Amino acid sequence: NAGVTQTPKFQVLKTGQSMTLQCAQDMNHEYMSWYRQDPGMGLRLIHYSVGAGITDQGEVPNGYNVSRSTTEDFPLRLLSAAPSQTSVYFCASSLAGTGTLSYTFGSGTRLTVV
Amino acid sequence: DQQVKQNSPSLSVQEGRISILNCDYTNSMFDYFLWYKKYPAEGPTFLISISSIKDKNEDGRFTVFLNKSAKHLSLHIVPSQPGDSAVYFCAANIQGAQKLVFGQGTRLTINP
Repeated sequence: NAGVTQTPKFQVLKTGQSMTLQCAQDMNHEYMSWYRQDPGMGLRLIHYSVGAGITDQGEVPNGYNVSRSTTEDFPLRLLSAAPSQTSVYFCASSLAGTGTLSYTFGSGTRLTVV
Repeated sequence: DQQVKQNSPSLSVQEGRISILNCDYTNSMFDYFLWYKKYPAEGPTFLISISSIKDKNEDGRFTVFLNKSAKHLSLHIVPSQPGDSAVYFCAANIQGAQKLVFGQGTRLTINP
């Protein structure tokens, strides 16, 4: 029972480079989302998806792209990395039922942009 | 504009006593409130949640209280254990969407 798997765990990029943060879940959750956490702040929503083929922007979407071709995967793309994108990134999947709501988070990707 | 606030950056409690973590919110359009625990270099771990139509939910040592009129919720941990030392985040789900808004977190330290 892997839950939510994020790769890589650590990454250093140079300004202007691109990369993709991977996220996969094996719980058949419809909803997936990406958050970033910066020092002294809570997690902030970047992008989210309510199902395959459907994505939308969160609170801090600039500089990031997403797509959702399958239920299991939700990659986050940085097209041209900037130092302001240095952060810890968390992917989550969620399931809503009658009277319940549950989010499961991955272990995070620590990204440094130099 | 911070919709979910945890005004105490840190809290220190003696082992065996009660830990009370607080959270305030400004938006009435939240349908669920959740508490997460986070250790360094790990992802947040779900602890307990409460629907906006309830005022209390209990799970083992953890109880969450919701005061809708005051737009305030609290997490009670009884008894506190050394393994409870972590950062605790309060989060609120926007009604009709799968979008969480987080507080800034409270670092709880349990002293022996």
